[in-house]
Amino acid sequence: EVQLVESGGGLVQPGGSLRLSCAASGFTFSSHWMHWVRQAPGKGLVWVSRIKSDGRSTSYADSVKGRFTISRDNAKNTLFLQMNGLRVEDTAVYYCASDPDICTGGGCYSNFNFWGQGTLVTVSS
Amino acid sequence: DIQMTQSPPSLSAFVGDRVTITCRASQSISSYLNWYQQKPGKAPKLLIYAASILQSGVPSSFSGSGSGTDFTLTISSLQPEDSGRYYCQQSYKTPYTFGQGTKLEIK
Repeated sequence: EVQLVESGGGLVQPGGSLRLSCAASGFTFSSHWMHWVRQAPGKGLVWVSRIKSDGRSTSYADSVKGRFTISRDNAKNTLFLQMNGLRVEDTAVYYCASDPDICTGGGCYSNFNFWGQGTLVTVSS
Repeated sequence: DIQMTQSPPSLSAFVGDRVTITCRASQSISSYLNWYQQKPGKAPKLLIYAASILQSGVPSSFSGSGSGTDFTLTISSLQPEDSGRYYCQQSYKTPYTFGQGTKLEIK
């Protein structure tokens, strides 16, 4: 059974830092791209960041670029999100999601096939 | 960034009805379009990827179609467990973007 379990959320003051973790099991972690997606209370889904299966390529939403860093430890099947310079508007449930990046003759199709349960980050003074 | 616009924002239908949700991209995204279902307090669940491919384990009552800028998610016969919020998402290029969601209620 595929499992993604996030941890590390909590209450932090503006300007503070948090490190989120996502422990993966039940699939070949090292062959999947991984993403972070967030959802502010009562709002829609927003993509935050992604990392290639080997960790050598990363991308970020403009809203977090320069403040957040995605990384992974394939030996420990764990994804991370280091969040610095947190702002009130970063308050959200943060989900990790796996991406099999399925390739066919027509191209390689990214999708979020499995999600964790989410961890709540609250930025407030 | 590619903007994704869903319609309608909400809808209500009877069990057994055929339901269609549309999603429009601000530029052509070929077939790089995914659909998700989210229930309150839960993580999203992948339904359709590459515009029309049904994710394993998803009921065949769900189907997706479209390419370029216009896409549809269809539920052929609505069931009570289909209530929730539905999101489209483009995977053509980063930043990946989602539609604002469609809330589906059962009458």
